Amino acid sequence: NAGVTQTPKFQVLKTGQSMTLQCAQDMNHEYMSWYRQDPGMGLRLIHYSVGAGITDQGEVPNGYNVSRSTTEDFPLRLLSAAPSQTSVYFCASSYAGTPGEKLFFGSGTQLSVL
Amino acid sequence: TQLLEQSPQFLSIQEGENLTVYCNSSSVFSSLQWYRQEPGEGPVLLVTVVTGGEVKKLKRLTFQFGDARKDSSLHITAAQPGDTGLYLCAGVYGNKLVFGAGTILRVKS
Repeated sequence: NAGVTQTPKFQVLKTGQSMTLQCAQDMNHEYMSWYRQDPGMGLRLIHYSVGAGITDQGEVPNGYNVSRSTTEDFPLRLLSAAPSQTSVYFCASSYAGTPGEKLFFGSGTQLSVL
Repeated sequence: TQLLEQSPQFLSIQEGENLTVYCNSSSVFSSLQWYRQEPGEGPVLLVTVVTGGEVKKLKRLTFQFGDARKDSSLHITAAQPGDTGLYLCAGVYGNKLVFGAGTILRVKS
């Protein structure tokens, strides 16, 4: 019973490099989202999707792109990494995306940008 | 400025002690969730409270939603080392889910 799977677990990038964080869920959830977690800031929403082919911006979308070609996958792309993007990234999903619905989180990707 | 303020930021206690952590706002939330996050893992939902004044119990954990739906508390009775983790509250404000910064709890044996 995998749930939400994120890869990689850890990543170190140099400033200006690009990369993709992978997220997959096997619960047939329509809603998927990406958060970043920084000390003292809580979880902040980057981008979200309410279904295949539909994406929208969250609270802190600058510097990140997403796409949703299938129900299962929701990759997060960093176009040109900056030190300010050093953070722990979490992918989360829920059945329908209704605010207050139970969110299922992946185990996170710790990203350092040098 | 955080819409949801959690206190204390950090709590270190001995096994067997009781504790309460708080989640406060000046805004009204339609519902509020509590999550626990262990090191190296994602948050896991513990409970959702919806009605003002609502109290929910989960074994040794008691969750309360304020009458005005602006605040919530989590009380742990006889804390155990397995309770160690980051406790996050998250409130539904309009059509958004807003997270607090969390309380780090360490229970020493």
